[in-house]
Amino acid sequence: DTGVSQNPRHKITKRGQNVTFRCDPISEHNRLYWYRQTLGQGPEFLTYFQNEAQLEKSRLLSDRFSAERPKGSFSTLEIQRTEQGDSAMYLCASSTPWQAEYGYTFGSGTRLTVV
Amino acid sequence: SQKIEQNSEALNIQEGKTATLTCNYTNYSPAYLQWYRQDPGRGPVFLLLIRENEKEKRKERLKVTFDTTLKQSLFHITASQPADSATYLCALDNGNQFYFGTGTSLTVIP
Repeated sequence: DTGVSQNPRHKITKRGQNVTFRCDPISEHNRLYWYRQTLGQGPEFLTYFQNEAQLEKSRLLSDRFSAERPKGSFSTLEIQRTEQGDSAMYLCASSTPWQAEYGYTFGSGTRLTVV
Repeated sequence: SQKIEQNSEALNIQEGKTATLTCNYTNYSPAYLQWYRQDPGRGPVFLLLIRENEKEKRKERLKVTFDTTLKQSLFHITASQPADSATYLCALDNGNQFYFGTGTSLTVIP
């Protein structure tokens, strides 16, 4: 297993366009998290899945954001009608049910630039 | 509301010295606290976890303390090396996910 994989690594899009990011977690990890990070800040929690169920969403996740994990494996995060304020690094992490012991395993992130 | 604060200033230390980073929190009663390392353009990497009933935990050159009365964790890197230069993040659990501090940038000067 090569860890958590995120694609694409970089995405430049025009304001108003829709974008979709993909995350492939570690195969035996049933928990998957999306975070957003802007320069000089720590990661901000967006949403969390246990298997295919989306169990929690942050207030930060506006109606323009949607996340899915259809078969409890990979996940996608879609942003509709992008705004310049959406420019950030989008991080995906996965963990086991005993996540506290081993921490999260993060991917390298997708850097989104909205122009 | 919940708040996590880390040293806002970047920390520069000489190689071989001990680096001490601080994480303070308010309006929280976390059961776990984690420390992560993050290099530029990369995702955070898990380093250590400490539970609320543990005062101290060590791993190689790393030591973490957790004072639930002061609502503070200290993260120490002993015998620091230039390769330790990175941003260090503390994270506190809030049920099903962790909330992260803003991070402290550490530079170890050869």
